[in-house]
Amino acid sequence: SAVISQKPSRDICQRGTSLTIQCQVDSQVTMMFWYRQQPGQSLTLIATANQGSEATYESGFVIDKFPISRPNLTFSTLTVSNMSPEDSSIYLCSAGQARNTEAFFGQGTRLTVV
Amino acid sequence: KQEVTQIPAALSVPEGENLVLNCSFTDSAIYNLQWFRQDPGKGLTSLLLIQSSQREQTSGRLNASLDKSSGRSTLYIAASQPGDSATYLCAVTTDSWGKLQFGAGTQVVVTP
Repeated sequence: SAVISQKPSRDICQRGTSLTIQCQVDSQVTMMFWYRQQPGQSLTLIATANQGSEATYESGFVIDKFPISRPNLTFSTLTVSNMSPEDSSIYLCSAGQARNTEAFFGQGTRLTVV
Repeated sequence: KQEVTQIPAALSVPEGENLVLNCSFTDSAIYNLQWFRQDPGKGLTSLLLIQSSQREQTSGRLNASLDKSSGRSTLYIAASQPGDSATYLCAVTTDSWGKLQFGAGTQVVVTP
């Protein structure tokens, strides 16, 4: 199994600012994913982060709003840019080795935009 | 497009009763199905992973079945305890990268 550490665990931010969320895995993983969970809803995939290449974004999510870095096989960051109250959500990092292996999640970042 | 549905949305049982949580998906072309537990305001804890070729998986008081052809999975939790109170999410993997498609979850309350 993999242990995933996410920082910060929570933050309150002013609208118009940006927040970078860090995700550290205790072992090398092939794939890392970023999900958003809006209040009272389930998880929605934002993007897939591959080491050494640009992240792949899901429909409705764009790089300018959610830039992602994946500098190595154990680390990734997600930035929420130019925030508005609608960005208030829990953001979760996930990691896995391949499609047939278990996915593990960080503890999430609870973001409130005021 | 794959859709994942969980029924019921909420469930309240007295301690000691068995829990039955249902998950259905519209496209049977999945690689695997995973059950997670989420405590309020927290991340996800993986409970069970069932590969598409498997019919069930067991871990302690938890048992999950998978009927891929009918697009259904059921999570059974035996002899429920107040500590089992949480939201339970099922998710399917439908692509080679391992992206997950989640259901909306079942919120479980086990009363002492």
